[in-house]
Amino acid sequence: DIQMTQSPSSVSASVGDRVTITCRASQDIGIRLAWYQQTPGEAPKLLIYPAFTLQHGVPSRFSGSASGTGFTLTISSLQPEDSATYFCQQATDFPLTFGGGTRVEI
Amino acid sequence: QVQLHESGPGLVKPSETLSLTCTVSGGSISTYYWSWIRQTPGKGLEYLGYIYFTGNSYYNPSLRGRVTISLDTPKNQFSLKVTSVTAADTAIYFCARRAVNDYYFDFWGHGTLVTVSS
Repeated sequence: DIQMTQSPSSVSASVGDRVTITCRASQDIGIRLAWYQQTPGEAPKLLIYPAFTLQHGVPSRFSGSASGTGFTLTISSLQPEDSATYFCQQATDFPLTFGGGTRVEI
Repeated sequence: QVQLHESGPGLVKPSETLSLTCTVSGGSISTYYWSWIRQTPGKGLEYLGYIYFTGNSYYNPSLRGRVTISLDTPKNQFSLKVTSVTAADTAIYFCARRAVNDYYFDFWGHGTLVTVSS
């Protein structure tokens, strides 16, 4: 199975801060990586797929990048509604696997 | 807008079968791939498997053959069964829609907590 290592597990930041979350794959997955946002009691929401393509309706303060087997989700200016858990998922090989998640606290 | 909603018992006894249903609204189930994913504090998110409207299915080998996913096209629903459950199967279970030509999930349900306990 492809292992997805996500860091940090949690981050506390202030409104307006820049927040960066990293995900590393155990093998080459190209750019087939998805980022999701999960808030308690809500359905997880697809933010980015593939690695740097924002889904329709996702605010432009979110961005994704890739370098080799490393991927980054950046929130350029943190907003109160961004308080959530974010996780990555490789979309290359079965079984599909996820990162451990990053809890972003305001 | 496609919406998914999980339903089923929130408590299952050890060694019994966990059964959940996902109802899809806002779109037909007769396309796309329909998946189950679960989340635990210890293991995080775990992909359980999918079913396609043709009946083609895939199950994560980690579940050692205990998982079955089935489709009820007239009701626009799909279901999950996990047999011989233990406390390790206690989790939030999500249903999700997987893209046809790719392996990401574009719509998810809110999730339902299932606890395995006597």
